[in-house]
Amino acid sequence: EIVLTQSPATLSLSPGERATLSCRASQSVSGYLAWYQQKPGQAPRLLIYNASNRATGIPVRFSGSGSGTDFTLTISSLEPEDFAVYYCQQRSNGLTFGGGTKVEIK
Amino acid sequence: QVQLQESGPGLVKPSETLSLTCTVSGGSISSSSWSWIRQPPGKGLEWIGFISYSGSTDYNPSLKSRVVISVDTSKNQFSLKLSSVTAADTAVYYCARGGINRFDFWGQGTLVTVSS
Repeated sequence: EIVLTQSPATLSLSPGERATLSCRASQSVSGYLAWYQQKPGQAPRLLIYNASNRATGIPVRFSGSGSGTDFTLTISSLEPEDFAVYYCQQRSNGLTFGGGTKVEIK
Repeated sequence: QVQLQESGPGLVKPSETLSLTCTVSGGSISSSSWSWIRQPPGKGLEWIGFISYSGSTDYNPSLKSRVVISVDTSKNQFSLKLSSVTAADTAVYYCARGGINRFDFWGQGTLVTVSS
């Protein structure tokens, strides 16, 4: 099973700041990595798939990069609605999720 | 716009079988793959398994011995059965479209509590 490790566990930032979230895989997942946003009491929402493709309707401030074992989700300028928990997910070997990064208001 | 809705008992007794159904609207269930994912209270996401449009299935190895996912194309529904449940199976259960690569549409989730 491929283990996805997300860091940091919590990111404390202010609106307007840049957020950089990391997802590291225990072995290569090629480019088969997705990112999701989850707010309290809601289902996750797909943001990025295949490492760098924005899903339909996702604002351009969200971007994904990386390949192999190291991936990054960047939010260029945080909006109030972006404070949430973010998960990465791989489907290269089995299907697993990372433990999540909480982006909280500083 | 594809919409998914989970339904089923919110309380299941230990050792019994958890059964949930996901109803798909706004699209044909025969054109995609469909998954179940769960989230214990306050914890992260765990993929349970998926069924493809052709009926083939794939399950999380850690749950494989207890899980069956099936599809009813006449009703545009797919279902989850998880047997021999324990308190560790208490979670919000989500159905979602996808499983080959990504999950692009999700149900709102339903909380299932395992307790006597």
